[in-house]
Amino acid sequence: TQLLEQSPQFLSIQEGENLTVYCNSSSVFSSLQWYRQEPGEGPVLLVTVVTGGEVKKLKRLTFQFGDARKDSSLHITAAQPGDTGLYLCAGKYSGNTPLVFGKGTRLSVIA
Amino acid sequence: EPEVTQTPSHQVTQMGQEVILRCVPISNHLYFYWYRQILGQKVEFLVSFYNNEISEKSEIFDDQFSVERPDGSNFTLKIRSTKLEDSAMYFCASSDRDRGLLRSYNSPLHFGNGTRLTVT
Repeated sequence: TQLLEQSPQFLSIQEGENLTVYCNSSSVFSSLQWYRQEPGEGPVLLVTVVTGGEVKKLKRLTFQFGDARKDSSLHITAAQPGDTGLYLCAGKYSGNTPLVFGKGTRLSVIA
Repeated sequence: EPEVTQTPSHQVTQMGQEVILRCVPISNHLYFYWYRQILGQKVEFLVSFYNNEISEKSEIFDDQFSVERPDGSNFTLKIRSTKLEDSAMYFCASSDRDRGLLRSYNSPLHFGNGTRLTVT
């Protein structure tokens, strides 16, 4: 079974701080997606990365895909309370395989 | 913006009973999925459906589970005889392949807000 590990599991920070969360696998991803999930709702897509070394920015969020396509990171600059939520990474190991999710990083940003 | 809708939002059932969870995917999407999330655990793949048949299923999706697209809009998940361990959030998702991108890339999944199934 291919595993996708996310760290840290929980993160509590003050408003205005920067943070990075990680997603790692021992296998190569064909593509990787980051989702955010609010309580009582389904995951909502933030970004998809496909190419090794790719960097994508979404306002204060920066997503990076590792050169070897085995890992990814999400960096949030100047976190705000509205960033609070569960951040999930999900990867496909090949084009025909289902999307596999990590357990997520639960972020709490305190005002 | 179009969205995936799921009903009911919460279903309580007794062990051994049959349940049907309903989903209306985004209308022009071609691929349909069910995932589940047991409380405190990760989102797990159950089944994918394309062209009116199952394209892939996980070990969780045993003979007690079935899916159906009875008409052009609904996509259902049936659990024939529920067990206590079936209690979870069940998410429906849909996607549409982006023909302009690499073959190895699938369009992102659009999730519904889930049905919370409680088996007592």
